[in-house]
Amino acid sequence: NAGVTQTPKFQVLKTGQSMTLQCAQDMNHEYMSWYRQDPGMGLRLIHYSVGAGITDQGEVPNGYNVSRSTTEDFPLRLLSAAPSQTSVYFCASSYSRLFHEQYFGPGTRLTVT
Amino acid sequence: AQSVTQPDIHITVSEGASLELRCNYSYGATPYLFWYVQSPGQGLQLLLKYFSGDTLVQGIKGFEAEFKRSQSSFNLRKPSVHWSDAAEYFCAVDTGNQFYFGTGTSLTVIP
Repeated sequence: NAGVTQTPKFQVLKTGQSMTLQCAQDMNHEYMSWYRQDPGMGLRLIHYSVGAGITDQGEVPNGYNVSRSTTEDFPLRLLSAAPSQTSVYFCASSYSRLFHEQYFGPGTRLTVT
Repeated sequence: AQSVTQPDIHITVSEGASLELRCNYSYGATPYLFWYVQSPGQGLQLLLKYFSGDTLVQGIKGFEAEFKRSQSSFNLRKPSVHWSDAAEYFCAVDTGNQFYFGTGTSLTVIP
């Protein structure tokens, strides 16, 4: 099993550009989520999905869109990047929503200039 | 509001010394509690978790944590730290509605 994979590992965007961060898991996990990690703030939940076709907002959803068309994939879209979105982004998955260990991808370091 | 507090931003210990990382949570009921470790440039890895039962839980890499309901705490301990334990440690709670992480404690191990 590859676990949770994320691409790209690094990305530099200009303000206003759009891009999609890719996330995939091969563990047949129902629950997937996106976090951003900023210095001194820990990880904050952006969006999550409890299964294909179902998504919901987390703590900091503004500026981000998600979709879940398959169990395996959970892309995160930045429609118009802003410098405040400079961060490290982690995708995670778990067997189900409640009380299960989350498996994390290696992260994507995004810089918006 | 629910929250997780890790009061120590950074801790330095000597190799072989004992370690305790503090975690306090704010939640009306007993949450489900986790400790994760993040090595530089890596994602997070689960060290241990508490759902119910015995309040002292054992994890990987020789770590343990104790849930104390009266103190709303879930402190992580290790009797003898190894240089490879240098990393960032995150406490997390799952309230059933959402997952919250603390701000992390950075551990430096000196020879």
